[in-house]
Parts: sequence; structure tokens; C-alpha cells
Amino acid sequence: EVQLVESGGGLVQPGESLRLSCSASGFTFSNYGMHWVRQAPGKGLKYVSSISSSGGATYYADSVKGRFTISRDNSKNTLYLQMSSLRVEDTAVYYCVKEYSSSNYFDYWGQGTLVTVSS
Amino acid sequence: EIVMTQSPATLSVSPGERATLSCRASQSVSSNLAWFQQKPGQGPRLLIYGASTRATGIPARFTGSGSGTEFTLTISSLQSEDFAVYYCQQYNNWYTFGQGTKLEIK
Repeated sequence: EVQLVESGGGLVQPGESLRLSCSASGFTFSNYGMHWVRQAPGKGLKYVSSISSSGGATYYADSVKGRFTISRDNSKNTLYLQMSSLRVEDTAVYYCVKEYSSSNYFDYWGQGTLVTVSS
Repeated sequence: EIVMTQSPATLSVSPGERATLSCRASQSVSSNLAWFQQKPGQGPRLLIYGASTRATGIPARFTGSGSGTEFTLTISSLQSEDFAVYYCQQYNNWYTFGQGTKLEIK
């Protein structure tokens, strides 16, 4: 059974940093692209960032480019999102998402971790 | 950026009846469209990919159709567990989501 478990969320002040982690199990992690998607309170889903199976290619939404860094450790089956210079508008539940091989659609989502940016 | 527009925002339907949800893309996404179901406090669940293919374990009462810019998710004979928020997503050119349709009990 595929499981994606996010951690690392919390309350931070504007301008601070936070690192999210996503522990993956139930599939061969190193074979799949992975993504982060966020959802502001009471709002819809927004794409944040992607990383290829090897980690050699990364992509970002314009709203987080230059502030967030996605990475992965295939030896630990773990996906990361390093978030810096956080803004109030980054407040959201962050979901770790697995990509179906070669077809680009998202097939499994975690339960999410809440990041609150507030002074 | 491809904009995805879902309608209606809220749909009130009685259990046992049929629900029809719409999703429109601002430009063609071919058949690279997925539907997700989200319940409160949970991550989204994949229902449909490729516009019309049901994901593993999804009941046959969920049917996706369409291509290009117009898509539909039909849920026949609504069950109590189907009342949730539904999102469409295009993955033809990066990834964008519709704003969601809340399916509520009438």
C-alpha cells in the first residue's frame, strides 16, 4: 500500500524558514517523480514544485521560485521542501504527491502538513 | 497558464440521484485531465485520469468524459460517501486545478 506521510509544518513568522519532509513507503520511491501541492485554508489546490525520479530536474511555480527548494533522498525514501523567506500568503496545507510513471498525472497524495505564517 | 473552470461551485443532489460536474479548460489539454475527490481533513483521492479512465478501486458509478476543453464527471446513483469536493486538473502543460465543486446532500 502506497503511503506518503508529511511532517515539519508549524507556525512561523514572515521571513523565516521551514523544511517539510515526506516519508514514502509501499513503492519504489527512486522510480517516480514527486510533487508538492498546497491548499490555503478553505481554498483550492495549487501546484508548488516537482522533482524528477533521480532528483536531477526540478520545477517551481512562479509564486515560490527563488524561495523554495525541492529535493529528495532516494536512500531514505524521503522528499523535502525547504521553504525560505516565508510570506503570509504561503499559509496552507502542503501535500506530498506521487506521480504515475511516464504519464504525469498524480496518483497518490499524503494527508498534508499545515504551515502557518503569521506575526 | 491554462485556466480550469469548474461549474457549478455547489451542487445539491439527493442520495440515489445522478450528479453531473463540469470542467472547462482555457485551451486544449487533449485528454490529459484528472478528477479528484477530497473529503474534509483528507488529501485528495484520484478518481479519473486520461479524462475517462477510472483509477484503481474507483466504483463504476464514477464516469469521466470529454476531451480538448470540455470535460464532465458523472456520478450515477449517489451514495452517502460521495458527498465531497471534486477538483479537475490538467496535466498537459504543467499542472493547474479547477476551483472545485462542492457536492452536497439535498
